[in-house]
Amino acid sequence: AQSVAQPEDQVNVAEGNPLTVKCTYSVSGNPYLFWYVQYPNRGLQFLLKYITGDNLVKGSYGFEAEFNKSQTSFHLKKPSALVSDSALYFCAVRGLNYGGSQGNLIFGKGTKLSVKP
Amino acid sequence: DTGVSQDPRHKITKRGQNVTFRCDPISEHNRLYWYRQTLGQGPEFLTYFQNEAQLEKSRLLSDRFSAERPKGSFSTLEIQRTEQGDSAMYLCASSPGGVRNTEAFFGQGTRLTVV
Repeated sequence: AQSVAQPEDQVNVAEGNPLTVKCTYSVSGNPYLFWYVQYPNRGLQFLLKYITGDNLVKGSYGFEAEFNKSQTSFHLKKPSALVSDSALYFCAVRGLNYGGSQGNLIFGKGTKLSVKP
Repeated sequence: DTGVSQDPRHKITKRGQNVTFRCDPISEHNRLYWYRQTLGQGPEFLTYFQNEAQLEKSRLLSDRFSAERPKGSFSTLEIQRTEQGDSAMYLCASSPGGVRNTEAFFGQGTRLTVV
């Protein structure tokens, strides 16, 4: 079964410091991995994705993520955190479905990022 | 293109009543997904459509839930005989489909409260 784990419920970072939000996955076959951000009472906004190619992918708002196949991880990173980055972050993997191609997204439980001034 | 639109944004209903939510996807997207999100959890897949065909349903989608996408454009999600456990945020998403295997774009959700 496809699954995603986000081991930290909350990450606290001081503004200007680097941040990492962790994600590990379990899939059969090649993983398609995604990060989304959710602000209070809002839907999910897409940040970045890994499909194939370079292990370091860059996304919106200065975020990047590193795909590590041997560790089955896809950690989200940002060199310098902003207070406005405070939100809920979700890692997701695309599952298999009918037809075996583009399945639905399977999400982790989310990590609350808190950036303090 | 205004993105994925969901209506209403909030719904309060009494237990036992029926409710219906609407989702308008991004116009050129042929795939449409419904998810449910409860407090402290990630979104959980409910069902998805490719055009008007409902291709997959989660075990979470009990007999009281039904979804339609009659013309392959907007979709409705109906919950019959609502229960307090149905209280959640219901999220709709769409994607282009096809071989590009791209990300899904989400609406802002409909928050359902069953009292």
